[in-house]
Amino acid sequence: DVKVTQSSRYLVKRTGEKVFLECVQDMDHENMFWYRQDPGLGLRLIYFSYDVKMKEKGDIPEGYSVSREKKERFSLILESASTNQTSMYLCASTWLWDRDHQETQYFGPGTRLLVL
Amino acid sequence: AQTVTQSQPEMSVQEAETVTLSCTYDTSESDYYLFWYKQPPSRQMILVIRQEAYKQQNATENRFSVNFQKAAKSFSLKISDSQLGDAAMYFCAYTRSQGNLIFGKGTKLSVKP
Repeated sequence: DVKVTQSSRYLVKRTGEKVFLECVQDMDHENMFWYRQDPGLGLRLIYFSYDVKMKEKGDIPEGYSVSREKKERFSLILESASTNQTSMYLCASTWLWDRDHQETQYFGPGTRLLVL
Repeated sequence: AQTVTQSQPEMSVQEAETVTLSCTYDTSESDYYLFWYKQPPSRQMILVIRQEAYKQQNATENRFSVNFQKAAKSFSLKISDSQLGDAAMYFCAYTRSQGNLIFGKGTKLSVKP
C-alpha cells in the first residue's frame, strides 16, 4: 500500500513564526503536491513538484514556499505565519504523469495548523 | 479555466438506501480524468472511484458507480445500499495538464440508521 505521511496532525504557531510542514511518501512517486483545505472552498493547490529540486506554483502560492531535496520528501514552508494561514494542509503524491496515463493521487492524513 | 461544481453542500440518506451526489465540470480539453474522493472524519482523503473521459462505460467499484455524461460535463456518484461508514465529505475532482487535481467544494453526506 502507498503511504503518505505528514509530520504533524495538529500544529499551533504564533504570528510571524517560520513553519515547516513535512510530507514523506514511500512509493517512489515523481509528483508531489501541497493543498490547502478550507470549509466551503474545497481543496486548493499551493505548490507542486514533478522532480527533485523542481517546483511549480499552484493557485494560491502567496505566503508559501516549498523544498524538495529528496524524491520522497516535500516540505511546505510558511516564512512568516499569519492568522489567515490557519487551515488544514494536505500533501499528495502520484506517479510520473503523462497525458496517456493519469495515476491516482494518494493523500496524507493532513495537518491542521492554527496560527495565533 | 477549469472548474468543478458540486451543487449539494449537504445530503442525507437512510441506511441501505441509494443516494446520488451531483458534480458538473467545465473544461475545453477532450482527454481528462475525473475522480470522486471521500474524506471521513479522520480526514484521510480516500479515492472512491475514477473515470477516464475517453471511456464511454461508466466506472463501478462495488456499491459505488458513476453516471458520466461527457457532452453534458456531468459526473454524478451513486452510492447503493448506503452504510453508516459512508458518512463523509465527498469531493469531485478533475485533472488538468500539470497533473494536479481541481476540486469541487464538497458534499457532506450523512447516513441515518
